[in-house]
Amino acid sequence: AQTVTQSQPEMSVQEAETVTLSCTYDTSESDYYLFWYKQPPSRQMILVIRQEAYKQQNATENRFSVNFQKAAKSFSLKISDSQLGDAAMYFCAYRTPGTYKYIFGTGTRLKVLA
Amino acid sequence: DTEVTQTPKHLVMGMTNKKSLKCEQHMGHRAMYWYKQKAKKPPELMFVYSYEKLSINESVPSRFSPECPNSSLLNLHLHALQPEDSALYLCASSQDPGQGTSNEKLFFGSGTQLSVL
Repeated sequence: AQTVTQSQPEMSVQEAETVTLSCTYDTSESDYYLFWYKQPPSRQMILVIRQEAYKQQNATENRFSVNFQKAAKSFSLKISDSQLGDAAMYFCAYRTPGTYKYIFGTGTRLKVLA
Repeated sequence: DTEVTQTPKHLVMGMTNKKSLKCEQHMGHRAMYWYKQKAKKPPELMFVYSYEKLSINESVPSRFSPECPNSSLLNLHLHALQPEDSALYLCASSQDPGQGTSNEKLFFGSGTQLSVL
């Protein structure tokens, strides 16, 4: 069975600095999707970034980028130039193609300090 | 329109009440989901509808009854709930994963915060 582990329950970052959130996963599949979702106090979960396992190039979305290490089964999220609006719970998630089930990690609460 | 709309935003109900949660999307998505989320925990999948048919029921107690009247609407009927059912209930939609679309992702609503007294 697939699992997703986020080992950092809480992280803090100074405004304008860079922070990296960790995620590891376990799977025997060779093709899969990985996601980072953000859940701010408004409660709506929003997709931050998405990575397809068959793509070697790391995904980037503006200030957000990932470090995808397939052999190590690691999928970390880097947030550059942190802003107060980045404060939220961040969930790493995994999905096998063709399935409906997303496997979520336990989440990392990110605090941004002014 | 890239929104998933959930109503109500907050709901307080007694253990003998019957209530319904509603979810609506107009993105043409054919997969719709109900998740339950306890505070500081990840969302837990409850039900999935695909093309208006129930595809997944994650062994949810029968006091929760989902309904998908059409491709845009998803309801969750609640009856005889227990205090431990108090949680945030999230609705989500997506393109059908079975189609293998490369940009498939979950779109979430902002949830209904349910308190059972």
